[in-house]
Amino acid sequence: NAGVTQTPKFRVLKTGQSMTLLCAQDMNHEYMYWYRQDPGMGLRLIHYSVGEGTTAKGEVPDGYNVSRLKKQNFLLGLESAAPSQTSVYFCASSYRSTESSYNSPLHFGNGTRLTVT
Amino acid sequence: DAKTTQPPSMDCAEGRAANLPCNHSTISGNEYVYWYRQIHSQGPQYIIHGLKNNETNEMASLIITEDRKSSTLILPHATLRDTAVYYCIARPIQGAQKLVFGQGTRLTINP
Repeated sequence: NAGVTQTPKFRVLKTGQSMTLLCAQDMNHEYMYWYRQDPGMGLRLIHYSVGEGTTAKGEVPDGYNVSRLKKQNFLLGLESAAPSQTSVYFCASSYRSTESSYNSPLHFGNGTRLTVT
Repeated sequence: DAKTTQPPSMDCAEGRAANLPCNHSTISGNEYVYWYRQIHSQGPQYIIHGLKNNETNEMASLIITEDRKSSTLILPHATLRDTAVYYCIARPIQGAQKLVFGQGTRLTINP
């Protein structure tokens, strides 16, 4: 049981390049999330998904797109990278809240460190 | 989601109990109190959560005041590995768990 796995761990992009960050979870979680963390700041939600084929915007969605084609995977795309997107990106997953299972904690990956020059 | 307020930093001696306070005076009746921590360069790690009763697990204890306006996370016997940033978060009982992270408390455990 690997939990939440993020690839790649590190990446350097030039302004205008595109890339996709992959998040995979093996816990059969319904919900998945993408956060970014900048120096001295807390985590900010970019996009999230409550199930396969569905996505929604979070706090800072501009410049990013996401897809959830399979339940276990959540992809974060940068179509045209900008220096402002230099950050550490964290993926997380959790069970769906139900009457008998409120508040399943989020499980986080160990991050992707992205630098845009 | 209710806003939470935490001290920016705290120190604790190794082997002693670390008590981390959190103020959430605007918390509503359908919001839990969650605690996560982030050890340098790693993803946040879930510690514990509670609604109105005190809670304890293998990692920590959570004490919530009767009026629910504040809480304290207790690490009973702090070790050097407990050095991390600790986040206190209030979030609704149901729905997608869009945790809103504040600045947290940077806890340093000293030998």
